[in-house]
This record gives sequence, C-alpha cells and structure tokens, in this order.
Amino acid sequence: AQSVTQLGSHVSVSEGALVLLRCNYSSSVPPYLFWYVQYPNQGLQLLLKYTSAATLVKGINGFEAEFKKSETSFHLTKPSAHMSDAAEYFCAVSDDNSSNTGKLIFGQGTTLQVKP
Amino acid sequence: NAGVTQTPKFQVLKTGQSMTLQCAQDMNHEYMSWYRQDPGMGLRLIHYSVGAGITDQGEVPNGYNVSRSTTEDFPLRLLSAAPSQTSVYFCASSYEVGETQYFGPGTRLLVL
Repeated sequence: AQSVTQLGSHVSVSEGALVLLRCNYSSSVPPYLFWYVQYPNQGLQLLLKYTSAATLVKGINGFEAEFKKSETSFHLTKPSAHMSDAAEYFCAVSDDNSSNTGKLIFGQGTTLQVKP
Repeated sequence: NAGVTQTPKFQVLKTGQSMTLQCAQDMNHEYMSWYRQDPGMGLRLIHYSVGAGITDQGEVPNGYNVSRSTTEDFPLRLLSAAPSQTSVYFCASSYEVGETQYFGPGTRLLVL
C-alpha cells in the first residue's frame, strides 16, 4: 500500500529564510503527488501538483517542489519565508493510478512557524 | 461558485446519537469524498463516490454511511456516535477521478 512520510511535524524558520518541508513516498510506479496547505480553522488548499509533466513544479505563493524518483521524494521549498506562510502543510499521493479510485494518502502534516 | 460547502461547522453529540454531515458542491464534479482529520495522523479517507449512485469504502469506513443520490450532494451519516469519532471532517470533490480535489471548510464534531 502507498504511504507518505513527512519528516518533522514542526518546522520553525525566520522571516526571509529558506523554507524546506520534506516528503517521501512509497510507490512502485510514478504517482501523482500533491502539497496542500491548511490555515487555522480552514479547509485544505492546493499548493501544487506533480503529474509527471515536469520534475520541478511551481505552485502558488512562491512555493515549488521537485520530484526525485531516485530518492522517492517530493520536498517543498520557498526561497524566502513570509509571516503569512505560517500554516500546516500536507503532502499527499494518489493511491494508485491504475485502480482509478481517486484516493489520496496523506502524510501526517508539518506545522510551519515563521518567526519575525 | 460557492465551491464545496459543509454544514454544520460545529456539532456536539452524545454517545449513541446519530446525525448527518452535509456536503454539497456546485462545480458539477463527479468525484466526491469524505476524510477525517486527527492530530498527528493527517487525513484519512472514510468513503468516496465516483458519481451519482456509486459509493465505496475508504480507509476508515466503520460507523459511517454515505449515499449519492445527486451529483451535488454527498451526505455522511453517523449511525451511533462514539467518542472515537470526535474529529474534524472534510468533504472534497474533483471533476473526475485523479484530478485535483477541492476541500470544504470542515465540520468539527465532538462526541461526549
């Protein structure tokens, strides 16, 4: 079965510093991969999505993620953190492209704190 | 478009009570799903539907029922609430299977 691991349940950075949120997946075939952001008391909003078109995926709010098949990773980065980036971030993988169920498997989430 | 809407926003139940969490979308999406979010566990799929009249179980279906009589609505029923069902519930929809899923604002449920 698919699984997603997010390394670090809590990440703290200073405003203006690099943001790096780590995500590793287990899959025998190239999956669809997603990063979602959840602001306090809100639903999930899509940041970006990898669908095999390009290994470097650019998303909203200056975020991007790079798909590395050899490392089974899909880490999320942003060059310069802003206070408004403080939120919880979820990495997710489509359960199985061939089964066509649409299921998403989510990681445990990483809370990003941005210090002034 | 309102997108994905969920009601109620917050609900308190006593053990053994039943209730229905409502979910609606106005984007003509075929695929709809229900997740529950618990601290440290991310989101887990409860039930999903690939179209009106078609539903299937997800990862944690026990204690929940769903039906999909229309494209727009996908209610989640708790048959006999238990404290273990205290959680935040999210409904999501997408144009079709495999496409980006859009999430509602969530329903916070507390079972005493």
